[in-house]
Amino acid sequence: DAGITQSPRHKVTETGTPVTLRCHQTENHRYMYWYRQDPGHGLRLIHYSYGVKDTDKGEVSDGYSVSRSKTEDFLLTLESATSSQTSVYFCAISELQGLGNTIYFGEGSWLTVV
Amino acid sequence: AQTVTQSQPEMSVQEAETVTLSCTYDTSESDYYLFWYKQPPSRQMILVIRQEAYKQQNATENRFSVNFQKAAKSFSLKISDSQLGDAAMYFCAYRSETSGSRLTFGEGTQLTVNP
Repeated sequence: DAGITQSPRHKVTETGTPVTLRCHQTENHRYMYWYRQDPGHGLRLIHYSYGVKDTDKGEVSDGYSVSRSKTEDFLLTLESATSSQTSVYFCAISELQGLGNTIYFGEGSWLTVV
Repeated sequence: AQTVTQSQPEMSVQEAETVTLSCTYDTSESDYYLFWYKQPPSRQMILVIRQEAYKQQNATENRFSVNFQKAAKSFSLKISDSQLGDAAMYFCAYRSETSGSRLTFGEGTQLTVNP
């Protein structure tokens, strides 16, 4: 198994509160990604990082911010959580040396916004 | 933008039989990779098979094989000798340099294996 740890694994929070999800890797991979998974949509990219302090937006980035101050950690923050952000969040990592390299996924974080 | 479409939300197969899951994609690029991921009820994402766009030979991994039709932009997954453990959600995914090297996923196909 790829060394990816997501925390927390489960969280229930109230609308309007800030939430931070953490992804920690032990593989020293350059690329890290945050996806969300919702029924009927597969996995959709929120943000990704191609190095320390280098991040870019994905297709569903509104309402989310990210930070990467160390190679091993990629944080996803919901500044003011909304019910539409109830989802399962997956972190993924990849070493970019060829597109065929495997992207490894964490086990997911279940977030419920009430 | 690249898009990936899986037109079969649900499929079922009898144990030991063969099933084919469909995937089509839209791109103007010539260099890319295609993937099939399996997601069992545990929600873990497991890579099943990958295909390089520049290779004409279809990828094979044990009971899993693909039918890659580049001109038609089609990438189907064939599972032979289906087993109960194959029951899962299957996602087709696309990756290229111009998409930021990230994966773009289809909506998924839920596969049921009947004993």
